[in-house]
Amino acid sequence: GAGVSQSPSNKVTEKGKDVELRCDPISGHTALYWYRQSLGQGLEFLIYFQGNSAPDKSGLPSDRFSAERTGGSVSTLTIQRTQQEDSAVYLCASSYSRGSYTGELFFGEGSRLTVL
Amino acid sequence: GESVGLHLPTLSVQEGDNSIINCAYSNSASDYFIWYKQESGKGPQFIIDIRSNMDKRQGQRVTVLLNKTVKHLSLQIAATQPGDSAVYFCAEMSGGSNYKLTFGKGTLLTVNP
Repeated sequence: GAGVSQSPSNKVTEKGKDVELRCDPISGHTALYWYRQSLGQGLEFLIYFQGNSAPDKSGLPSDRFSAERTGGSVSTLTIQRTQQEDSAVYLCASSYSRGSYTGELFFGEGSRLTVL
Repeated sequence: GESVGLHLPTLSVQEGDNSIINCAYSNSASDYFIWYKQESGKGPQFIIDIRSNMDKRQGQRVTVLLNKTVKHLSLQIAATQPGDSAVYFCAEMSGGSNYKLTFGKGTLLTVNP
């Protein structure tokens, strides 16, 4: 497809389980972002990948969260030993940025995670 | 701390009226300010941006105003339509933050027919 694709769209898991969320960015986009959005809240920055540079992980809330981006394309966000406070919509975005400004990020529709 | 916030969490307008959504920011080092629209169940969508050395920028039916003196940003929507109903977020970006967007909490705009 032409847009950012995220899977699964919905994930219900039990506390303590690990989850993986996948993001397929727009082809050719060099920058990839993960954000988290809790109910009725703004978007909380998690991690940013730009080309082959080291990712900016400054937003990851704990060491239970990790992300990787393979081949400069697909990204996976992994949450280990999930907690109820991890319940949120996880949004992925990509942009055609080569380290310079672009404020136009293209977002996927998100993966809604519910931890019981 | 540095943050981007909003004056009003909700705004209700009549179809055809003009809407003004406000945003306060605290990071005077921001290089760009951006407005996003998020419809229910979807990801945010870029509307318009403005560089910090400008005070006004116009798009199609939208105008963004930047007042650096009072650190205030606004989005004006002309002739508001039902399809404009959504949550609107302001965001800021600075080169010093490696070009990551920092978002505010959002304003819910409801357009009544």
